[in-house]
Amino acid sequence: QKEVEQDPGPLSVPEGAIVSLNCTYSNSAFQYFMWYRQYSRKGPELLMYTYSSGNKEDGRFTAQVDKSSKYISLFIRDSQPSDSATYLCAMKRTGANNLFFGTGTRLTVIP
Amino acid sequence: DTEVTQTPKHLVMGMTNKKSLKCEQHMGHRAMYWYKQKAKKPPELMFVYSYEKLSINESVPSRFSPECPNSSLLNLHLHALQPEDSALYLCASSDPSLNTEAFFGQGTRLTVV
Repeated sequence: QKEVEQDPGPLSVPEGAIVSLNCTYSNSAFQYFMWYRQYSRKGPELLMYTYSSGNKEDGRFTAQVDKSSKYISLFIRDSQPSDSATYLCAMKRTGANNLFFGTGTRLTVIP
Repeated sequence: DTEVTQTPKHLVMGMTNKKSLKCEQHMGHRAMYWYKQKAKKPPELMFVYSYEKLSINESVPSRFSPECPNSSLLNLHLHALQPEDSALYLCASSDPSLNTEAFFGQGTRLTVV
């Protein structure tokens, strides 16, 4: 079993839709959670960084963490064609430097 | 400034060549990383430097040689690579003392011919 599982998609939605991206993990030592957006042939861009269980909102993006269920989500409201990219979840343990990535979900927003 | 700068953006090298990838950050981060990413796959950790010392080497072949000359710079020296080493090489940095997020550069797209 991989430590981080992410539905690889691909996911295709119409413009304006609400998108839900999800990851599950098995290691309860993971305490820090990140969502990255990666456009084709570019480096990952940090979108959200969370620590505690609950919701964190930034513009159209909301990150949700449920540590009891070992489940994290990223919601994108009013999705735009420019949101078309691969979304990677990542997480790490306290005091550790290395990140554990999900496999990434490829999202296409259709105008 | 949350920028991690990588040079070159693209590199084509023969299997007998020696080349270097460079990475620079000015965020005061004392942890720097090299990742390798193949198409449609997540980044795979190669090396981690913490306070300019190599702290993690994920069993990377010796044809990849990392170097951290100072707290802002990270190099990856390449020698005698194979075509299967063609990939996007990503540098990242973070503050190891604050458990903060990691920031990535735009990567160097390497092609080995």
